[in-house]
Amino acid sequence: ETGVTQTPRHLVMGMTNKKSLKCEQHLGHNAMYWYKQSAKKPLELMFVYNFKEQTENNSVPSRFSPECPNSSHLFLHLHTLQPEDSALYLCASSPTGTGDQPQHFGDGTRLSIL
Amino acid sequence: QKEVEQNSGPLSVPEGAIASLNCTYSDRGSQSFFWYRQYSGKSPELIMFIYSNGDKEDGRFTAQLNKASQYVSLLIRDSQPSDSATYLCAVKLEGGANNLFFGTGTRLTVIP
Repeated sequence: ETGVTQTPRHLVMGMTNKKSLKCEQHLGHNAMYWYKQSAKKPLELMFVYNFKEQTENNSVPSRFSPECPNSSHLFLHLHTLQPEDSALYLCASSPTGTGDQPQHFGDGTRLSIL
Repeated sequence: QKEVEQNSGPLSVPEGAIASLNCTYSDRGSQSFFWYRQYSGKSPELIMFIYSNGDKEDGRFTAQLNKASQYVSLLIRDSQPSDSATYLCAVKLEGGANNLFFGTGTRLTVIP
């Protein structure tokens, strides 16, 4: 039990599909993050939410759309993805979104685009 | 130049030995440094964090920070086969609220 739960664990979708990834944290944190992890590449920060407000969008294509209804839940809506989007998508949380506090990760969603 | 660099390895050490993992970073103004362990198919798990120059010890793990030389290292004493994993270095760089950058990780194998 990591305190950060992601669903689904695995997702296979076609390029024209629409799907959503879900993340829930039970740690009482106020900041949540989406990361992309591809083979042989460092973790890439995608989005940051601090107290439900988006504070970072690291030039992520619009086919990825985040949603943060409250401090405990974070979604990543996917549509018209490309094969290069196949990766492990990790959600994380931390007490605040200042970047200088440890982040706690979920187990990730392994996404495969056909 | 990459913001955070690690030797990708693999690094192999015999059981009981000291494993030394190194990380260099580009931004001299960086203040916060983290080490994560990631088992294959699993999420990154925080091992240690360090903010001040010098050593910080936690059990078999010691983080060493040298801001003048811009490197941070992780020592694992009495290495165990269960320590075999990829170790990720993360650094909060200056110039933004959430500029946390990760290295590509070093793959460690502890040989029984």
